[in-house]
Amino acid sequence: AQSVSQHNHHVILSEAASLELGCNYSYGGTVNLFWYVQYPGQHLQLLLKYFSGDPLVKGIKGFEAEFIKSKFSFNLRKPSVQWSDTAEYFCAVNAQSGGYNKLIFGAGTRLAVHP
Amino acid sequence: EPEVTQTPSHQVTQMGQEVILRCVPISNHLYFYWYRQILGQKVEFLVSFYNNEISEKSEIFDDQFSVERPDGSNFTLKIRSTKLEDSAMYFCASRRTGTDEKLFFGSGTQLSVL
Repeated sequence: AQSVSQHNHHVILSEAASLELGCNYSYGGTVNLFWYVQYPGQHLQLLLKYFSGDPLVKGIKGFEAEFIKSKFSFNLRKPSVQWSDTAEYFCAVNAQSGGYNKLIFGAGTRLAVHP
Repeated sequence: EPEVTQTPSHQVTQMGQEVILRCVPISNHLYFYWYRQILGQKVEFLVSFYNNEISEKSEIFDDQFSVERPDGSNFTLKIRSTKLEDSAMYFCASRRTGTDEKLFFGSGTQLSVL
């Protein structure tokens, strides 16, 4: 079955620290990969996505992610976090099933950034 | 940027009651979805809808659930007889096409079943 695993449930960092959130997926076919962010009290927003081409993708707010096909991974990174990055981060895989597309989400990682 | 609109933002109901969660997808979108997030758990796919019929549903989407597009703009999720475990944040989402990269989410309806 298709699944998405996020290794860290909670991450606490100080401002200016570097961030890496792990994401692994289980799906044998072609995948499109996403990171979504959910700020407190707000709806999900797309941070970045990978469909094809350069496996290092850059998103909004200084985030980037690298698709490593051999490792079935799509880790999210940011070189220097800010307090405003405090949020929950969801990795998602767009898998095809029966000709239709759906998004499968990981469990999420709660990031708390302290000033 | 266009938005998916969900109403109400918070609904409280008694166990066994019927609830209808409402969504207005983006006007030129053709694919519609419901997801839910139980507090502290991951976002779960419930159902996808295209061309006025369900295209896929998860195991969660049992006979107590139904979806409808009653007119050209609304997309509703009905829970016929709510259970305590239905308490969750329900997200509506839409996509322009089936392969479009971006899924637009609404801000969610928090359903509390007492």
